[in-house]
Amino acid sequence: DTEVTQTPKHLVMGMTNKKSLKCEQHMGHRAMYWYKQKAKKPPELMFVYSYEKLSINESVPSRFSPECPNSSLLNLHLHALQPEDSALYLCASSQGGQGANEQYFGPGTRLTVT
Amino acid sequence: GNSVTQMEGPVTLSEEAFLTINCTYTATGYPSLFWYVQYPGEGLQLLLKATKADDKGSNKGFEATYRKETTSFHLEKGSVQVSDSAVYFCALSPNSGNTPLVFGKGTRLSVIA
Repeated sequence: DTEVTQTPKHLVMGMTNKKSLKCEQHMGHRAMYWYKQKAKKPPELMFVYSYEKLSINESVPSRFSPECPNSSLLNLHLHALQPEDSALYLCASSQGGQGANEQYFGPGTRLTVT
Repeated sequence: GNSVTQMEGPVTLSEEAFLTINCTYTATGYPSLFWYVQYPGEGLQLLLKATKADDKGSNKGFEATYRKETTSFHLEKGSVQVSDSAVYFCALSPNSGNTPLVFGKGTRLSVIA
């Protein structure tokens, strides 16, 4: 099973709202990722968790707050977002450790900020 | 540094035509190479991979060969279908722990009946 699940599929939120995106994998992967993808662009890396610890933060604004409660789950907490944050948010996972970094992606959450 | 260059799209082909999407890379060491496909409204799916020189990745009729001498990983399919319409991303992994994937800009393919 190479499935990564994400909820919700779609989310509309106002600029003063607080919401969370959720991601889950049951492949035993120890690295998990959040990407942001704008239309007609490749995914842009936001965060990497390795063995449940934040290992990479690509200078993402603090209105995005990641959390990794355990090795299977990854959350992205959203607060006071701006309309330009509207995008497809993708979660991915990989085995972790050394070697080929083959990542498996979820279907994404389409976020609209009004 | 590491980078991936893909041919600019969009590419429009008739059904059963031959497809080539060019991809070249720059990397230190010996990266792994991937092709991902993104269908409209969906996430990215791993299409195929190659982890060392001269490896050929293949899946669903698509093929790509890791060419170290030309630093290329071109995607090919002998006969495309309407259902192959999607955006294709070439990507590399530097093979050093959890170093993130480096993506090309993507090539949009439209196949018409």
